[in-house]
Amino acid sequence: AQSVAQPEDQVNVAEGNPLTVKCTYSVSGNPYLFWYVQYPNRGLQFLLKYITGDNLVKGSYGFEAEFNKSQTSFHLKKPSALVSDSALYFCAVREARGGGADGLTFGKGTHLIIQP
Amino acid sequence: EAQVTQNPRYLITVTGKKLTVTCSQNMNHEYMSWYRQDPGLGLRQIYYSMNVEVTDKGDVPEGYKVSRKEKRNFPLILESPSPNQTSLYFCASSSHLGQGFNEQFFGPGTRLTVL
Repeated sequence: AQSVAQPEDQVNVAEGNPLTVKCTYSVSGNPYLFWYVQYPNRGLQFLLKYITGDNLVKGSYGFEAEFNKSQTSFHLKKPSALVSDSALYFCAVREARGGGADGLTFGKGTHLIIQP
Repeated sequence: EAQVTQNPRYLITVTGKKLTVTCSQNMNHEYMSWYRQDPGLGLRQIYYSMNVEVTDKGDVPEGYKVSRKEKRNFPLILESPSPNQTSLYFCASSSHLGQGFNEQFFGPGTRLTVL
């Protein structure tokens, strides 16, 4: 079965510093990977995805993620954190199911706190 | 504006009283799904639908029902709610699931409390 692990419940970063939110995955075939962000009292918003191609994927709000097949990781990064980046971040992997139906398996989420 | 809407946003009910949470999308998406979000567990899929009249169980379907009579609507039905169904529920939709994989668009969430 496919799975996603986000090893950190919370990440604290000072404003202006680079940030990394970690994600590792386990799939039987090729992985399709996603990052979503959830602001307080809001639904999830799509940030970026990796399907194939370049290992460095750029997304919304200045975020990027690096796909590393040998380490089965898909860490989310940003060169300079903003206080407004504080939110709950979810990594997700495409899970292939029988009959062509697909669904997402989500990690447990990482709270990112950017301190002024 | 492209969006997924859910109603109600907040609901407090009692054990055993049937309820329905509505979900509607205006993007003509084929795929729709329901998730529940619980602290420390992330999002878990309840049911999904590949298209009209095509639904299937996700990871935690027990105690829930769904229907997909129209492409835009995907209601979640709790026939006899129990306290362990107290949670934050999200509806999501996506286009062309299958070949390639497009991101899902999420509704604002429904916070359900079952007493």
